Amino acid sequence: NAGVMQNPRHLVRRRGQEARLRCSPMKGHSHVYWYRQLPEEGLKFMVYLQKENIIDESGMPKERFSAEFPKEGPSILRIQQVVRGDSAAYFCASSPSPRGGLYEQYFGPGTRLTVT
Amino acid sequence: GDSVTQMEGPVTLSEEAFLTINCTYTATGYPSLFWYVQYPGEGLQLLLKATKADDKGSNKGFEATYRKETTSFHLEKGSVQVSDSAVYFCAQGSQGNLIFGKGTKLSVKP
Repeated sequence: NAGVMQNPRHLVRRRGQEARLRCSPMKGHSHVYWYRQLPEEGLKFMVYLQKENIIDESGMPKERFSAEFPKEGPSILRIQQVVRGDSAAYFCASSPSPRGGLYEQYFGPGTRLTVT
Repeated sequence: GDSVTQMEGPVTLSEEAFLTINCTYTATGYPSLFWYVQYPGEGLQLLLKATKADDKGSNKGFEATYRKETTSFHLEKGSVQVSDSAVYFCAQGSQGNLIFGKGTKLSVKP
């Protein structure tokens, strides 16, 4: 059973360009989460999605950032007009439907975004 | 708001030493608690979990007990190995998103 897949693993963008990060959840998982990790920091929650629905986007910056999880295909985290402060590792996690309130999340290897 | 606080690193131990990494949490509800491990250049791997008070999670020689009275979930291992060198993250979750501590870097010397 393949794990959570993310691509690309490394992405370099110039300031003002767009970055698209993709995440394919584990087979059978219908919940996807995006986190951002800044250097020497823990992970910060960004957004929680189910198929075609955004469940919680309380951690998403209000501007330039968007996420989707379409009926078919991977989840996409999109950053428009990137700035140097967007440089970070972006991790995707997936989980099955929660049982007993337990959202056990499995993480992908991450996409390391560098903005030059 | 809800938060997780874990001991700052780095922690440097000799092989076969005893490991404790402290973790405490603040929560308005009754979260599930997790320890994740991150090896250099990789994503997070779930190490162990506990869903209610007094539950003990264990995996690969690591243990942590959900202590509601002290709001703690300390990670322990009786005898560490060089291969345990990594960054360890404590996390809590109850409504979908996980709240992480800042991580504790562990280095084990032969």
